[in-house]
Amino acid sequence: AQTVTQSQPEMSVQEAETVTLSCTYDTSENNYYLFWYKQPPSRQMILVIRQEAYKQQNATENRFSVNFQKAAKSFSLKISDSQLGDTAMYFCAFMKHAGTYKYIFGTGTRLKVLA
Amino acid sequence: DAMVIQNPRYQVTQFGKPVTLSCSQTLNHNVMYWYQQKSSQAPKLLFHYYDKDFNNEADTPDNFQSRRPNTSFCFLDIRSPGLGDAAMYLCATTDRQETQYFGPGTRLLVL
Repeated sequence: AQTVTQSQPEMSVQEAETVTLSCTYDTSENNYYLFWYKQPPSRQMILVIRQEAYKQQNATENRFSVNFQKAAKSFSLKISDSQLGDTAMYFCAFMKHAGTYKYIFGTGTRLKVLA
Repeated sequence: DAMVIQNPRYQVTQFGKPVTLSCSQTLNHNVMYWYQQKSSQAPKLLFHYYDKDFNNEADTPDNFQSRRPNTSFCFLDIRSPGLGDAAMYLCATTDRQETQYFGPGTRLLVL
């Protein structure tokens, strides 16, 4: 069975600084997807970034980038130039490439960006 | 444009009184999900549909039922809500690249 671990329940960062959220996972699958989702307080869960396991290149979306280490089963999220609007819960999620269509979520990291 | 719409956004019900939450999606995709999310926790999958095939999670209580009359709509029925069922209920669907898109959620309060 797959598991996803987010070892940092809470983090804070100063506005304009860089922060890295960690995520590790356990799977015997070779093909899979990894995701980071953001859920601001009392607001909708939205996709931040996704990574296909067969792609060696790390995904990037504007200020958000990942460090995907397949052998180490690590998938960290780096937020550059942090903004107040980045304050949110961040969930890491795993999905097998084929079959169940189900996500395995981590427990989340609450990020607070300080002015 | 909203891809996943949930109604109502807030629902208050009484202990034991059946309640139905609704979800619609405009992506016209064949997979839809219902999650329960309690404060500061990860969403917990209750069930999902692949087309009309219903897939129940093993630990989803019998109190929770679902209906999917067509591709666009999906309903969550809670037959006899208890205080422990107070939570945010999230509906989601996927695009062809397996990315899930979530609705804004329905916050259920049980009195």
